Amino acid sequence: GENVEQHPSTLSVQEGDSAVIKCTYSDSASNYFPWYKQELGKGPQLIIDIRSNVGEKKDQRIAVTLNKTAKHFSLHITETQPEDSAVYFCAATPFPDKVIFGPGTSLSVIP
Amino acid sequence: GAVVSQHPSRVICKSGTSVKIECRSLDFQATTMFWYRQFPKQSLMLMATSNEGSKATYEQGVEKDKFLINHASLTLSTLTVTSAHPEDSSFYICSARGGRTTYEQYFGPGTRLTVT
Repeated sequence: GENVEQHPSTLSVQEGDSAVIKCTYSDSASNYFPWYKQELGKGPQLIIDIRSNVGEKKDQRIAVTLNKTAKHFSLHITETQPEDSAVYFCAATPFPDKVIFGPGTSLSVIP
Repeated sequence: GAVVSQHPSRVICKSGTSVKIECRSLDFQATTMFWYRQFPKQSLMLMATSNEGSKATYEQGVEKDKFLINHASLTLSTLTVTSAHPEDSSFYICSARGGRTTYEQYFGPGTRLTVT
């Protein structure tokens, strides 16, 4: 079955710097890759997603890149702000009823 | 759009009792709903998938007689933890998907269950 790895597990950046989180997946059938932000005590919030027919997608300060050949995808947050501090989960979806989450990255943005 | 609610947000129950958690899609019809469990500092683990009007499909290792799932309408799914024990204490999160061929899942705010 699908396995998703995520690095780093923790990440601290200065406010204004960029943050990059990288994920790899194992099942070549996966064709949808969402990213979720989870604040303490809350449910995950979908922040951006990418499909396998696209190599890059951007939404304001957030961008995601996908390399299907290498089976890895990354989240890039530019101009980080303290409110970006949260746990971020990548996921891979081999079919609509199956979302496999990575272990998560705890991002701290230091003012 | 795509708002999912859960009720209650927190619940404390005594060992041996049952507790019901509701998940509602507020502004769309959810053909499929999912129930996840999350332990502190861990990722989300899928417990079961339910389609409206059908029996839920449980993941391996999840006791279907202990975690009863009902998806009676396109906007409501319930998870009942029966004969709860302290080890069932966890953060339970539901998500909903609007169509059988769509991929996007929208999550509820979660329910913190504590069994004493």
